[in-house]
Amino acid sequence: KQEVTQIPAALSVPEGENLVLNCSFTDSAIYNLQWFRQDPGKGLTSLLLIQSSQREQTSGRLNASLDKSSGRSTLYIAASQPGDSATYLCAAQHAGGTSYGKLTFGQGTILTVHP
Amino acid sequence: DGGITQSPKYLFRKEGQNVTLSCEQNLNHDAMYWYRQDPGQGLRLIYYSQIVNDFQKGDIAEGYSVSREKKESFPLTVTSAQKNPTAFYLCASSISVYNEQFFGPGTRLTVL
Repeated sequence: KQEVTQIPAALSVPEGENLVLNCSFTDSAIYNLQWFRQDPGKGLTSLLLIQSSQREQTSGRLNASLDKSSGRSTLYIAASQPGDSATYLCAAQHAGGTSYGKLTFGQGTILTVHP
Repeated sequence: DGGITQSPKYLFRKEGQNVTLSCEQNLNHDAMYWYRQDPGQGLRLIYYSQIVNDFQKGDIAEGYSVSREKKESFPLTVTSAQKNPTAFYLCASSISVYNEQFFGPGTRLTVL
């Protein structure tokens, strides 16, 4: 059974700092890895999707990497801003078997960027 | 505007009542999903549908039911058999089960 873990559970940083959020998964048979952002009381916003054949994806100040063999993904946020404060979730998409296509989510990292 | 809508935003239910949460999408996506989110537990899959008139149980389907009569709509009924229904419910859709999922704004259900 796939398990997804995110470290740290919470992170507080001053504005302008570069930071890394970590995601690990136990089953490397994944189709892709998605990173989401969730603001309090809101739905999820998709940030980046990395296919299993890719090593990284970039969007603006965000860069996500994937190392399938070691079961790890990282989300790098450059020059953090107070508007980046939110919960960040990673999710691994299953590649086959009866759970094909299913997303398994981590519990999230709560990020606070203070001015 | 293309997207996923969920209604209502807040829902209150008395014990013993069934309630239905609405999810509509105009993205022409074949696949739709229902997740439940509890504090500290992340998202868990309740039901998903790959195509109209088809749906499959997820990890926590007990006490829930769904239908998929139209491509655009995937309503979720929380029945009185669901022992702890208070949670935040999120609907999602994707072109197919292997594509990126997009989420609606959610419905917060509270049992009184």
